[in-house]
Amino acid sequence: DAGVTQSPTHLIKTRGQQVTLRCSPISGHKSVSWYQQVLGQGPQFIFQYYEKEERGRGNFPDRFSARQFPNYSSELNVNALLLGDSALYLCASSPSRTGGAGNTEAFFGQGTRLTVV
Amino acid sequence: AQSVTQLGSHVSVSEGALVLLRCNYSSSVPPYLFWYVQYPNQGLQLLLKYTTGATLVKGINGFEAEFKKSETSFHLTKPSAHMSDAAEYFCAVSANTGGFKTIFGAGTRLFVKA
Repeated sequence: DAGVTQSPTHLIKTRGQQVTLRCSPISGHKSVSWYQQVLGQGPQFIFQYYEKEERGRGNFPDRFSARQFPNYSSELNVNALLLGDSALYLCASSPSRTGGAGNTEAFFGQGTRLTVV
Repeated sequence: AQSVTQLGSHVSVSEGALVLLRCNYSSSVPPYLFWYVQYPNQGLQLLLKYTTGATLVKGINGFEAEFKKSETSFHLTKPSAHMSDAAEYFCAVSANTGGFKTIFGAGTRLFVKA
C-alpha cells in the first residue's frame, strides 16, 4: 500500500509569491494534519482536517490556509511568502478524528522542502 | 497548555552502549506521549506512544520509554546502540483540550560512534 505522498518534494519561491503544497493520505484515512519544520527545530502544528472540516489550527498567520477534498487529499496554501517560511512542510494522515494526537497513530509523508529566496 | 522539553540537542554514544534521551512534558490534562524518529530527508516515524495503562512502553527497534507522572518525564532508552540508530528523535505530547494538537520538542540528534 502507498504511504502518505506529498508533492512537490522540493520547491524554490521568491518572497511575496504564493505556494500550494499537496498531500495524499493513506487509503482509508480521513484525517490530514500539516506541520512546519524549520531547520533545527521540531515540527510545529499548522492545521488538522477531518472529513473535510478544519478540526484544529496552530498559531500561524492568516497567510496560511488549507482545505481537504472529498477524496481526503489536502492542499496547504501560503500567500505572500516570507524568508522565514522556508522549511520542511510535513503532512500526516490518520484514520481517526484526533489526527494521531490521541491513541491512534499518525503516518508522516517525506515532506516538501520549501525555500524562499 | 502542553509543552515538551528535550534535554540535550545532541547525544553521542558508542555502538553497544546504552541510549538515554530525556524528555519532560507539561500538560494541564492527562497527556498522550510519543517518541518519533526522523532519518535525514525523511518524514517522522512513530517509535512508541503512551496513552493509558502500563507506564513502561515498548516500541520498535528495541526502544522503550517509561511514563513517570511524578517527574513529568518520558525518557527514551535502548540497552545497546546500533549504528543504524543515528537519527533525530522527537518527543511529543498531545491532549484533548477541546481538540487534539500534537506539540513536538526541539529534537535530539543521536550520534553513534563505532
